[in-house]
Amino acid sequence: QQQVKQSPQSLIVQKGGIPIINCAYENTAFDYFPWYQQFPGKGPALLIAIRPDVSEKKEGRFTISFNKSAKQFSLHIMDSQPGDSATYFCAASIKSPYSGGGADGLTFGKGTHLIIQP
Amino acid sequence: GAGVSQSPSNKVTEKGKDVELRCDPISGHTALYWYRQSLGQGLEFLIYFQGNSAPDKSGLPSDRFSAERTGGSVSTLTIQRTQQEDSAVYLCASSLRVLDFGDYGYTFGSGTRLTVV
Repeated sequence: QQQVKQSPQSLIVQKGGIPIINCAYENTAFDYFPWYQQFPGKGPALLIAIRPDVSEKKEGRFTISFNKSAKQFSLHIMDSQPGDSATYFCAASIKSPYSGGGADGLTFGKGTHLIIQP
Repeated sequence: GAGVSQSPSNKVTEKGKDVELRCDPISGHTALYWYRQSLGQGLEFLIYFQGNSAPDKSGLPSDRFSAERTGGSVSTLTIQRTQQEDSAVYLCASSLRVLDFGDYGYTFGSGTRLTVV
């Protein structure tokens, strides 16, 4: 059972546009929602993260919007650039009984392959 | 080191052989995680270590998979009797401590691309 559903699988946007990537989750125990960016041949890198007590978080051109009642969160990239072309993963974590409330692993969405055309 | 180092970066092996993948986390990071990334399937959590201890091994795909960590540092993921479905990129990540994945997240290595032929 996939616990974090991500869409779309791929996305092409013109430079300067605002790509939006959506994720939905089922487990209400999730309490941490990061986004990772991955370039070819590299491991994923943390981009931005949010906790469910806020509805929006901005870091530079990247914004997470969070809707707790709908169990959805999304990533917006403002003024997108060709260098933003990458695969983006949303993820969620649940408090673990093994680690006193920390994460014993992130559950990732399947990723969105984003292309920003010049 | 400055980042998470994984070796080898690429490994081609024959079906039925055993392989060992190595992860060298960031110095001082007590938590270490293994993920598997298959084409179009996202990242699948396999196992994590807090120090040398792996509290939950249920994420390992089969009993052919095992992992250990020694000295609170280097970890090895071993796959015995490899099968073609084991072909994937195996990613390692580390964080300061298990409770500290918050705003710092994990730092991932570049992965080992395993191809079983």
